[in-house]
Amino acid sequence: GAGVSQSPSNKVTEKGKDVELRCDPISGHTALYWYRQRLGQGLEFLIYFQGNSAPDKSGLPSDRFSAERTGESVSTLTIQRTQQEDSAVYLCASSSSGTPRYTQYFGPGTRLTVL
Amino acid sequence: AQTVTQSQPEMSVQEAETVTLSCTYDTSESNYYLFWYKQPPSRQMILVIRQEAYKQQNATENRFSVNFQKAAKSFSLKISDSQLGDTAMYFCALLNAGNNRKLIWGLGTSLAVNP
Repeated sequence: GAGVSQSPSNKVTEKGKDVELRCDPISGHTALYWYRQRLGQGLEFLIYFQGNSAPDKSGLPSDRFSAERTGESVSTLTIQRTQQEDSAVYLCASSSSGTPRYTQYFGPGTRLTVL
Repeated sequence: AQTVTQSQPEMSVQEAETVTLSCTYDTSESNYYLFWYKQPPSRQMILVIRQEAYKQQNATENRFSVNFQKAAKSFSLKISDSQLGDTAMYFCALLNAGNNRKLIWGLGTSLAVNP
C-alpha cells in the first residue's frame, strides 16, 4: 500500500513568513509523529498524535510552532514568523496500533530553507 | 534521561565484506524497543531492523542482524555481504513503550561501501 507522503518536498521562504507543511500517514495508522533534522544532527521529536487523544507537544521548540491533525488522517505543521534556525528537514512518521508494534514509518521529508 | 550514543561518525567497508556499527543506549524503562534506520542521500528514512527488549533472541533481516546485549545496553548492527546500495547514514533509535512513544536518536554513522 501507499507509504507516508509529505508535501511540499522542498520549501524556500523568507525570514518572517509563515509556512505550512503537510503529512499524509499510512491509511489506518493511529499514531503520527513530527521530527526535525538539522544538518549534521540527529532527529529531534516535535509532536505526537495518537487517535483522538490530546497531542503531546512537549518537543515543540517555541510557540511559533503548531500542528494539527484531523482525526486519524492528514496533519499540518505550521511555523509562524520563520527564522533562519528553522531551516531543516521536517520528517513525518506514522505507526499502527497493531503489529509490528511501535514501529514508525517515515515520509520523504520536507526540506525547509529560510533565507 | 534516555540517550542513544553512536561512537563512529564515519565508517567504510569494501563491497561483499562485513561491517559492524556500534550503538549504546541508556534508559530506566523496562519495556522498550530498539531500531536501526538507514537514510540514503534521498533522505528517506528506511527501517532496517527492530528489536524488542524483552526478547533475548537477536533480530535478523536478511543480510542485517543485531547483537543485543541488554545488560551492557549495547545494540550493534552487522551488515553482511555489503552492497553499494548500503551506502547511507545509519541511525540507532530507542523507543520507550510508555505514553509518549517518541524515538530517541543517535547522531548517526555514515557508512560508505566501496567497490
